[in-house]
Order: sequence, then structure tokens, then C-alpha cells
Amino acid sequence: AQTVTQSQPEMSVQEAETVTLSCTYDTSESDYYLFWYKQPPSRQMILVIRQEAYKQQNATENRFSVNFQKAAKSFSLKISDSQLGDAAMYFCAYMGETSGSRLTFGEGTQLTVNP
Amino acid sequence: KAGVTQTPRYLIKTRGQQVTLSCSPISGHRSVSWYQQTPGQGLQFLFEYFSETQRNKGNFPGRFSGRQFSNSRSEMNVSTLELGDSALYLCASSLETRHSTGYNEQFFGPGTRLTVL
Repeated sequence: AQTVTQSQPEMSVQEAETVTLSCTYDTSESDYYLFWYKQPPSRQMILVIRQEAYKQQNATENRFSVNFQKAAKSFSLKISDSQLGDAAMYFCAYMGETSGSRLTFGEGTQLTVNP
Repeated sequence: KAGVTQTPRYLIKTRGQQVTLSCSPISGHRSVSWYQQTPGQGLQFLFEYFSETQRNKGNFPGRFSGRQFSNSRSEMNVSTLELGDSALYLCASSLETRHSTGYNEQFFGPGTRLTVL
């Protein structure tokens, strides 16, 4: 079974600074996708960024980028120039080749952005 | 285009009762998945429906069931409610079940907050 682990229950960052959220996963599949989702207090789950396992290049979406280390099964999220609106719970998630549309989520990291 | 809608948004039930939650996917989306979110267990997959058929199922007891209609709207039912069923229930829709050659982004609804007293 696939597992996703986020070892940082809480993180904080100063506005305009950079923060990195960690995620590790375990799988025996060769084809899979990894995601970071943001869940603000409204509870609406929003996709931040995704990474295809077969792509070596790290995904980037504006201020959000990932460091994907396939051999180490590590998938961290870097948020640059942090904004107050980035404050939320962040979930790392996995979708494998045999799991259809099923997402396996990590425990989540609560990010606080200090003004 | 309207997003995923879930009704009701909030629900209070007592132990032993049953409850039905509804999810309307984005127009054109054929796959609907359900997740349970609790502080203790986090986000857990319940089941996925595609073209009125259950395609995937998580590790939940038989009290949890679902179905999908021909218009892709989905309902989930929980019978004989327990205190531990108190949770945020999220549904997500995508164009179609992911095949080996592709990925279909999942769009989440705002959730239904169920409280069991």
C-alpha cells in the first residue's frame, strides 16, 4: 500500500520570505503523480501543483515549486515570497497507476504567515 | 462553469440515524470520488464512481455506501451513525477515471460537515 508522510505538523514564515514543506512517500509503483493541495479555513481543497513521476524536471507554478527526488521518494514544496493568503493547511498527495482517481493524502502541514 | 456543489453544507444527526449526502460534479465530469476528513484520521478515501459504477473503494465498513446517477450526480449514505462518523465529507469530480496514459485533475467541492451527537 502507498503511504504519504508529512513530518511537519506546523510551519510558520514571515511575509515575503521563503518556506519549504516536506513530504515523503512510499510506493512500489513506477508510474504515479504527486500533488500539493491547499486547504484554507473555508475547507475548499485547491490544487497548488502537481508532478508526474516520469518527469525529471521539477514542476513550477508561479511562486510555488517542488523538489522531487524520486530515488529518495521525497517531494517538498517551496513557497517563495510568501503572502498572507498562503496561510492554510497544505496536503501532499499521491495518485498511483493502479489506484484510478484515488488520492492518498499525508497528514497535512499547517502554514502560518506572519506579517 | 459552476464548480462542484455539495448539499447540505452542514448536518447534525444523532447516533443510530442514517444520513444521505449529495454531490453534483462539474458539468461534463463523469467521475466522482468521496473522502472523509477528520482531525484524527486525516483525509481518507471512501469510494469512486464512474458512469454509475463503483470503480474503487476505500477501507470503510459497509455502513458507508454510495451511488451515482445517470447525470453523474452522486450520493453517499451512512447508516447507523456513530459518533466517530462526525467529519467533513468531501467529494471531488474529474472528467473521467484516470487511465494509464493520462491524468484527470480532481476538483473538490466545499464539503458537508456532519456532526453526530
